[in-house]
Amino acid sequence: QTVVTQEPSFSVSPGGTVTLTCGLSSGSVSTGNHPSWYQQTPGQAPRTLIYSTTTRSYGVPDRFSGSILGNKAALTITGAQADDESDYYCVLYVGSGISVFGPGTKVTVL
Amino acid sequence: QVTLKESGPALVKPTQTLTLTCTFSGFSLSTSGMRVSWIRQPPGKALEWLARIDWDDDKFYSTSLKTRLTISKDTSKNQVVLTMTNMDPVDTGTYYCVRTTTTIAFDYWGQGTLVTVSS
Repeated sequence: QTVVTQEPSFSVSPGGTVTLTCGLSSGSVSTGNHPSWYQQTPGQAPRTLIYSTTTRSYGVPDRFSGSILGNKAALTITGAQADDESDYYCVLYVGSGISVFGPGTKVTVL
Repeated sequence: QVTLKESGPALVKPTQTLTLTCTFSGFSLSTSGMRVSWIRQPPGKALEWLARIDWDDDKFYSTSLKTRLTISKDTSKNQVVLTMTNMDPVDTGTYYCVRTTTTIAFDYWGQGTLVTVSS
């Protein structure tokens, strides 16, 4: 069973930069895993931030960026704002039509 | 404008079968490359991908749940149906219907429907 890993939590100061990562329990993440990132606040449906590793979804501010860092996918928030305080989920395509979500990272801005 | 809306029972008993319907607009599942997935989220927990159906009727299921899931589509009605058998209290959560792109991204989400499994 493929496991996707994420940091449980991060704290960032307003205006600061934070990088969240998304890894695989076995192996490296590549663009072929089609990493995508979703932001979710309590009681709301997730919002698509990044897809295909680096592409921002429509309307997403450019302070959000996606990349591959080493053997993981990464989401960087540059110039964090108070309303970036959310849960962030990555999902990876692991082949055979199957996608797997990570456990999510809770980001606190303070 | 793409919209998706989930419908189904809010409460099911243990061992029963859950049937959820996703009714969508703004795209067609008969168009090449179109896909729809189901994703769920137990209260306070992480998102979990469940299943996907593609424009060509290919179907894919979560490894851990595949014996309990069936996904189907009715292109003429713009609907996707998910059934999950042998429901258990651990299956309690919000179930989302989500349009899925050719690059396996989830770009449009339904509002979700909360399903509680309890006797």
